[in-house]
Amino acid sequence: GEDVEQSLFLSVREGDSSVINCTYTDSSSTYLYWYKQEPGAGLQLLTYIFSNMDMKQDQRLTVLLNKKDKHLSLRIADTQTGDSAIYFCAEGGSQGNLIFGKGTKLSVKP
Amino acid sequence: EAGVAQSPRYKIIEKRQSVAFWCNPISGHATLYWYQQILGQGPKLLIQFQNNGVVDDSQLPKDRFSAERLKGVDSTLKIQPAKLEDSAVYLCASSLVRTVGTLSYEQYFGPGTRLTVT
Repeated sequence: GEDVEQSLFLSVREGDSSVINCTYTDSSSTYLYWYKQEPGAGLQLLTYIFSNMDMKQDQRLTVLLNKKDKHLSLRIADTQTGDSAIYFCAEGGSQGNLIFGKGTKLSVKP
Repeated sequence: EAGVAQSPRYKIIEKRQSVAFWCNPISGHATLYWYQQILGQGPKLLIQFQNNGVVDDSQLPKDRFSAERLKGVDSTLKIQPAKLEDSAVYLCASSLVRTVGTLSYEQYFGPGTRLTVT
């Protein structure tokens, strides 16, 4: 079945890089996504990657995709306190919906 | 451009009571989704509409949950009767078209309705 796994917590110091990892099961997913959720707010799409790509860079964000291992990662360079949030990995389901992981809570210490 | 609107933002009810949530998607978005997000988990799809037709409701507990999308615009999600395990944030999202195959369109999420069932 479809399932997305990610570690629950990550703590970094301001200015360091953060790397959030995710594994997924559906090899037919065309797109994989990273969403950000701040307290009391809805989900915000950060970036996505097409399944035939290995890497995508967008300013401070770098997404790496290892399709063979079904592993996705999000790297945030120069992490700031404003990056503190829950980050969700998601894969596109067969019916067009999104299948989310449980989220990784990123804490950034000054 | 206005985002996805949801109301109410918070709701507290007792078990066995009924509750309804409302969603107004972004203008022109054909596809509308309702997700349930239980504390500590990722959102899970409940139902997906394309215009006013249901595309996927396989995860909707139909004995107590119902949803409709009148005229292909606004949508309501109802729970009747509510159970303690229905306590969650209910998120509405919309997109231009359904994500299928090589096509992908961003889903825009509303702020959610936090439901507490006591």
